[in-house]
Amino acid sequence: SAVISQKPSRDICQRGTSLTIQCQVDSQVTMMFWYRQQPGQSLTLIATANQGSEATYESGFVIDKFPISRPNLTFSTLTVSNMSPEDSSIYLCSVEGVQGRSYNEQFFGPGTRLTVL
Amino acid sequence: EDKVVQSPLSLVVHEGDTVTLNCSYEVTNFRSLLWYKQEKKAPTFLFMLTSSGIEKKSGRLSSILDKKELFSILNITATQTGDSAVYLCAVEGMVNAGNMLTFGGGTRLMVKP
Repeated sequence: SAVISQKPSRDICQRGTSLTIQCQVDSQVTMMFWYRQQPGQSLTLIATANQGSEATYESGFVIDKFPISRPNLTFSTLTVSNMSPEDSSIYLCSVEGVQGRSYNEQFFGPGTRLTVL
Repeated sequence: EDKVVQSPLSLVVHEGDTVTLNCSYEVTNFRSLLWYKQEKKAPTFLFMLTSSGIEKKSGRLSSILDKKELFSILNITATQTGDSAVYLCAVEGMVNAGNMLTFGGGTRLMVKP
């Protein structure tokens, strides 16, 4: 399976600041996704990170608030901009299309716990 | 290292069958276990379990947690083709005063007419 690491694992931030979360995979993957998990709620897909082009955002999420980069097939970043307490959540990186696995088998990273004061 | 293992990896049944999906875990400072149904890219929350032995039900779906044996099961009775999906188990644990989610690999269920 793919080994996915996220940095930071957690952070406490002040309102109005920005935080960039990194996602690193130990093998090349086709697809990378960013999710948000709020307590007791479904995972919410923020966007699909496309290698070499702009991310594809889901309804309710915009690039200005959640800029995403994906410079290569093993790495992506998600920035949470101009944070407010409502952005407090666990942010998860997920990948699909891992070499040697079924193309649609999905793996999740350990998450980044963000608290905004 | 926290670990969540789901079984079986995949399952093919016929409509009307009952299925049981398994999730075992090893997590630091367990807080809760969550089940999700994933049909497209955004998993849908099904259950959150925090206490042993208390069954949670929603229609044809039910789930129970055993904190002594460190596992949970998800039952689906009278399956329908619309139940075809990947079912994900995730466990929330506390590491260094932060809550972290660890996901299992999922069980891919296919229900045939």
